[in-house]
Amino acid sequence: GNSVTQMEGPVTLSEEAFLTINCTYTATGYPSLFWYVQYPGEGLQLLLKATKADDKGSNKGFEATYRKETTSFHLEKGSVQVSDSAVYFCALKPISGNTPLVFGKGTRLSVIA
Amino acid sequence: GAGVSQSPRYKVAKRGQDVALRCDPISGHVSLFWYQQALGQGPEFLTYFQNEAQLDKSGLPSDRFFAERPEGSVSTLKIQRTQQEDSAVYLCASSPSSGGATDTQYFGPGTRLTVL
Repeated sequence: GNSVTQMEGPVTLSEEAFLTINCTYTATGYPSLFWYVQYPGEGLQLLLKATKADDKGSNKGFEATYRKETTSFHLEKGSVQVSDSAVYFCALKPISGNTPLVFGKGTRLSVIA
Repeated sequence: GAGVSQSPRYKVAKRGQDVALRCDPISGHVSLFWYQQALGQGPEFLTYFQNEAQLDKSGLPSDRFFAERPEGSVSTLKIQRTQQEDSAVYLCASSPSSGGATDTQYFGPGTRLTVL
């Protein structure tokens, strides 16, 4: 079946540190891959996505590259800010039909000044 | 423009009560999804509508859960005889087309249900 595994948190970083949140997936074929972010008290927001192998999604300084050979979609940011503190979810959408998103368990990031 | 809205934002129910949760998708969006998010977990799929048709309800945990979207826009998730294990955040998402792999789903803020 389809599944997403992401690194467990919480992750605590100092401001301006480098961020990596690992995400690997299991799926039939080549799904689309997403990172969603959930800020405190708010709903899920799409952060970035990639729809085919070797695509790089980017937004707000965050990047993730769709790696077919390692079935991974790791999230990176070169210099985090306090405002990046949130829960980050990796998700996949299978290629076939009208299927829902499959989410990882989420990784809580806290950035301290 | 307006995003996905959900009401109520918070609901406290006594065990055994029925509840109804409302979702207003983005206007014109064809697809609507409901997810359940337990504390500290990622969202899990409940059911999916394409316009007014409920095409997939495989994620509904029991026959106490029922969802409808009678006119292809607003959707209601109903939970009958609530149990403590139903306590979770219920998320609604919509997408503009019929759920292709590259579609982006836009999420509402969720309804936090607490069953006492």
